[in-house]
Amino acid sequence: NAGVTQTPKFRVLKTGQSMTLLCAQDMNHEYMYWYRQDPGMGLRLIHYSVGEGTTAKGEVPDGYNVSRLKKQNFLLGLESAAPSQTSVYFCASKKEGQSSYEQYFGPGTRLTVT
Amino acid sequence: GQNIDQPTEMTATEGAIVQINCTYQTSGFNGLFWYQQHAGEAPTFLSYNVLDGLEEKGRFSSFLSRSKGYSYLLLKELQMKDSASYLCALFAGGGNKLTFGTGTQLKVEL
Repeated sequence: NAGVTQTPKFRVLKTGQSMTLLCAQDMNHEYMYWYRQDPGMGLRLIHYSVGEGTTAKGEVPDGYNVSRLKKQNFLLGLESAAPSQTSVYFCASKKEGQSSYEQYFGPGTRLTVT
Repeated sequence: GQNIDQPTEMTATEGAIVQINCTYQTSGFNGLFWYQQHAGEAPTFLSYNVLDGLEEKGRFSSFLSRSKGYSYLLLKELQMKDSASYLCALFAGGGNKLTFGTGTQLKVEL
């Protein structure tokens, strides 16, 4: 099992460019999450999904869109990148059910917007 | 909403015991997590408390008091590899979301 993987690992964008971050998990988890982590701010939830075809807004959704067309993949899109979106992005997944509480994190994508 | 407070930094000596505190204000939650995060890496799960009391797992223990809005992570027999950021997070709501504190950066010295 690869667990949770993220593509790409690093990226530099110019202001106004667009890009898509891919998160993939091979654990058949229902729930998937996108977070951003900035110095001194901790991890903040951007968007999440409770199953294939569903998405919902988290704490900081502005400037991002997501899609969950396949259960194993959760895509995060930036339509017009801004310097404020420079951050480390983590994806996580979780099994459905009350006894399955742990979120498993991917290795992160380091994005710089100039 | 939810508000979580942790000390920003702590320093401890190899072989010692350190306690990292987390206080929170929330209208309701299912449980409280502790994650460890080494620099440049993803967070990894340490512990989860649902009920009040102490959960022990090897060198790591975590305590929760719902009535006091307080949790702590206790690390015993500190090792250099324990130098990392320790994140407190509340687990709540539809979608089983996590709300993280800003983390405590622990430095273990000789």
